[in-house]
Amino acid sequence: QSALTQPPSASGSPGQSVTISCTGTSSDVGGYNYVSWYQQHPGKAPKVMIYEVTKRPSGVPDRFSGSKSGNTASLTVSGLQADDEADYYCSSYAGSNNLVFGGGTKLTVL
Amino acid sequence: EVQVVESGGGLVKPGGSLRLSCTVSGLTFSDAWMTWVRQAPGKGLEWVGRIRNGGTTDYAAPVRDRFTISRDDSKNTVYLEINSLKTEDTGVYYCKWETNVYYGLDVWGQGTTVTVSS
Repeated sequence: QSALTQPPSASGSPGQSVTISCTGTSSDVGGYNYVSWYQQHPGKAPKVMIYEVTKRPSGVPDRFSGSKSGNTASLTVSGLQADDEADYYCSSYAGSNNLVFGGGTKLTVL
Repeated sequence: EVQVVESGGGLVKPGGSLRLSCTVSGLTFSDAWMTWVRQAPGKGLEWVGRIRNGGTTDYAAPVRDRFTISRDDSKNTVYLEINSLKTEDTGVYYCKWETNVYYGLDVWGQGTTVTVSS
């Protein structure tokens, strides 16, 4: 199972919006609506920000949103804030009880 | 509130073995599906495997031959045993509680660090 493809980096100024992509195949992202997005600050455990493509856990600001088209899922962070600077990872159910992660995107708030 | 706490990491020589523990509170543990994820230094997240309620396990292909996940429901604990440790096994090992069979909304522990070095 190959890792999902994410851009290594993304950036935006405070208040702007940024979108991070996550590309897989029809065997993972394209085949199931079970894509999640995680935020990881340095030295901390990942925290789920989006699950099942578009759902936000309680406590996650609505500035975070998810979507999917074909084999590519996307995370959009609007109204960028300094604390949004972190690594972001996507994951997808990949069939046969397997899970696959993306390589991660470092988001920089300029 | 569900809490997940890993332990058991440390410095191990190549070829050695290690057993990591993950203790969960705040839920009916016997119903829980638990997943292990690892992260090499400066690298991304890698799915290691999962144990379902009842004990059935699923593993990532690269670790299937050396990693074993088990559980003790009487202790609210899941274990990850790693044999024939390699330097590339170095990293932080996270345990997480899955709320969904297909992965998604979850609760992670803080991780435990494994260093494989001579």
